[in-house]
Amino acid sequence: EDQVTQSPEALRLQEGESSSLNCSYTVSGLRGLFWYRQDPGKGPEFLFTLYSAGEEKEKERLKATLTKKESFLHITAPKPEDSATYLCAVQRYSGSARQLTFGSGTQLTVLP
Amino acid sequence: DAGVTQSPTHLIKTRGQQVTLRCSPISGHKSVSWYQQVLGQGPQFIFQYYEKEERGRGNFPDRFSARQFPNYSSELNVNALLLGDSALYLCASSPQSSSGNTIYFGEGSWLTVV
Repeated sequence: EDQVTQSPEALRLQEGESSSLNCSYTVSGLRGLFWYRQDPGKGPEFLFTLYSAGEEKEKERLKATLTKKESFLHITAPKPEDSATYLCAVQRYSGSARQLTFGSGTQLTVLP
Repeated sequence: DAGVTQSPTHLIKTRGQQVTLRCSPISGHKSVSWYQQVLGQGPQFIFQYYEKEERGRGNFPDRFSARQFPNYSSELNVNALLLGDSALYLCASSPQSSSGNTIYFGEGSWLTVV
């Protein structure tokens, strides 16, 4: 059974204080690892998909990296508008199925 | 271009009733999936449809059913509602092609069962 564990559950940062969110996963045959941002009361907003160990992707202040067991979402010099819940999900190879298994998320609060 | 659209955005139902939620995928996307998200947890997979056929089913009771129409829109039906069915129901679409596997979510339908 696929499993995704995110840590920490909650993180409070001062504006400009860089940090990393962790996503540990167990899956038989990783097709892709997804990162989403979710604001309260909204649907998840797509950020990145990583496909193989060693891959990195960046978007503004965010950088996602992938190893064979975990992924990190690095936030550089965060701003209050980066406050949200960040979700990690894995997708396995399973024929034409494309289901995602999500972690419980990291709730990030950036204080001005 | 329009993103994934879902309706209704909010609804309140009584225990034992039935509900139908609707989803229109991004234009050109043939894969639609449904997820349930309860407060404080990540989304949990319910169904996936591709080219109008069910391609995946999560660990949900038979009270949950879905279908996909020729225009690739989809409906999720839940019968005999329980209080525990109260959640945000998310629809996701994907091109599911060799050129892309990105999965986009709609804003969801908030279901409250009283």
